[in-house]
Amino acid sequence: GAGVSQSPSNKVTEKGKDVELRCDPISGHTALYWYRQRLGQGLEFLIYFQGNSAPDKSGLPSDRFSAERTGESVSTLTIQRTQQEDSAVYLCASSLMASGAFEQYFGPGTRLTVT
Amino acid sequence: KNQVEQSPQSLIILEGKNCTLQCNYTVSPFSNLRWYKQDTGRGPVSLTIMTFSENTKSNGRYTATLDADTKQSSLHITASQLSDSASYICVVGVLNDYKLSFGAGTTVTVRA
Repeated sequence: GAGVSQSPSNKVTEKGKDVELRCDPISGHTALYWYRQRLGQGLEFLIYFQGNSAPDKSGLPSDRFSAERTGESVSTLTIQRTQQEDSAVYLCASSLMASGAFEQYFGPGTRLTVT
Repeated sequence: KNQVEQSPQSLIILEGKNCTLQCNYTVSPFSNLRWYKQDTGRGPVSLTIMTFSENTKSNGRYTATLDADTKQSSLHITASQLSDSASYICVVGVLNDYKLSFGAGTTVTVRA
């Protein structure tokens, strides 16, 4: 079947605007992760969803960041009042179950540029 | 703090040559170590995964090694091809946790 898809692939926005990023995980994958990848740095964990359990939001850098997931399907990451330091590639990944032993499959990412 | 350090930051090699990338980690308790390949504009794709008891794993021309005692891993690329040009990321998993620790990656450029 299809892999993890993300949209848009690129987003340019003005400082102060809100943006919404979308992730479609692999069908049947109960776990979904959002990461931020800044140029020259390792992936930073943002948030994690597992089925209907409460999400782990411990990686969200500020209250301007939020995410939702409907059941075990689509997830959206919202950044309010964007700042220039939010410019990065935002990657979504899904896995069959929530464990480091299970493979995480990544989407192509959304490149966000805040001008 | 769990950390993953990779070296070199970047390298350039000629097509057909071999190269070795290094990864040192301080992640504990250790669960597994993965090497991912990330092409420009794409998401990372898993190449190999090794657990504590494994010290080598191959995937075609890619061979990963793991020394859990010294907390070091390497990724060896044999007979490089132009399509090997990418960023290679070392990722370490923590026992009984879904969170992963990511290295910053090594950018490999293969030239004809």
